[in-house]
Parts: sequence; C-alpha cells; structure tokens
Amino acid sequence: GAGVSQSPSNKVTEKGKDVELRCDPISGHTALYWYRQRLGQGLEFLIYFQGNSAPDKSGLPSDRFSAERTGESVSTLTIQRTQQEDSAVYLCASSLAVGTQAYGYTFGSGTRLTVV
Amino acid sequence: RKEVEQDPGPFNVPEGATVAFNCTYSNSASQSFFWYRQDCRKEPKLLMSVYSSGNEDGRFTAQLNRASQYISLLIRDSKLSDSATYLCVVTINTGGFKTIFGAGTRLFVKA
Repeated sequence: GAGVSQSPSNKVTEKGKDVELRCDPISGHTALYWYRQRLGQGLEFLIYFQGNSAPDKSGLPSDRFSAERTGESVSTLTIQRTQQEDSAVYLCASSLAVGTQAYGYTFGSGTRLTVV
Repeated sequence: RKEVEQDPGPFNVPEGATVAFNCTYSNSASQSFFWYRQDCRKEPKLLMSVYSSGNEDGRFTAQLNRASQYISLLIRDSKLSDSATYLCVVTINTGGFKTIFGAGTRLFVKA
C-alpha cells in the first residue's frame, strides 16, 4: 500500500482482556517497529523486526506483550490481560534498510488503546 | 544518561524568528541521523535526514557534529505551522538497526 496501515484506529477494552493490534507495512520495507506513546510522553520502543532475523524484543515491558511478523508482511502486537497502564497510542513504523544504510521511517497513524 | 537527549522546551518564538534545537547522542557508533516532526495527537513524520556535510531543505538546516556527538536543526523565518514537537532520531548499526528516538523538543510559534 501507499502508507503504513494500522488497525483498529481506536480500541476500548476491559481490564484483563486480550487485544490484538495489526500493522500492515509499506510493501518492500524490510524493517518494522512497534512503539508505544503515552499521553504527553515520548516514544517508547517495543520491538523491531528486520527481514527474517530474530526480532529485537528488548523493549517489550512484560511477558504480557508479544508480537509476530511473517516474512516482510503484516505484524500483530498482542497484549494479554490488559492493564490500565497499557492505555496508550501504539505506533507501527516501517523502513527500508539496505546493507548498512537505514532510511527514515514511515509511521502508521496508530492504534489508540484505552483500558477501562 | 539517556542515549539521545533533547531539551524538552517549550520554545516560544514569534513568527519570523530563527530557532535552533540541539540533540546529543551517547553512542559513537551511531550511523544515521534524522529529525522528525510530530504534531499534537498525530504520528511522527520524517522532516529530514542529517548528513555529515550538513544539509538544507528550504527554511530548515540540519547539521551533524560527530566529534562532539550532536546534531542540530535550525528553522529560519518561523511560521505558525512550524509549531510541533521535533524529535531527534539516531540509528546504530548493530547487525540490525537499533533506532533511538529523543523525547522531543516542543516549539510554539506565535503570531
């Protein structure tokens, strides 16, 4: 597609429920990132996928968070047993990475998650 | 010490002013550098890459100082529409690419 697509754009869920967020990157972009942004705060790195390499999961805040990506296509971020502190905008970005050169990201418009 | 540090601001400037932001990074292996802009309740958007020789895009000029490990963004002739948060981004090649976003500098341009 022309841009990074995320769905749903908004999600309200009850505490304790599981949620799944989806990201459809730009076609051909080998790198995909998930970030979290709480209201008024900066971007918090969650996880990074690069091609078929093992993902960098170092930013996942707890074992309730997991993400998958098949090849260079769609990624899903799953949050189990949601807590109120999980409320945030979850942003996905993709980029082209060739050899040692990283190019700028394109972000999706995010999923605004509210846990009530 | 944070890996990428920015003055959070806010910077309040009148229209037409020139304003500069600095950003420092701690990892000398940092390889790629960018400035992003984020409007309120919107996703960040790439403003410009930062090249070693410095680069300009209209009213915006970016500079990189590898020796001192900082990058800068200069905005000339500020417009009301420049009001946003400006994010400094550094990418380190670790076999994959580790990308670190600064927390951003808020700019308000007033009429």
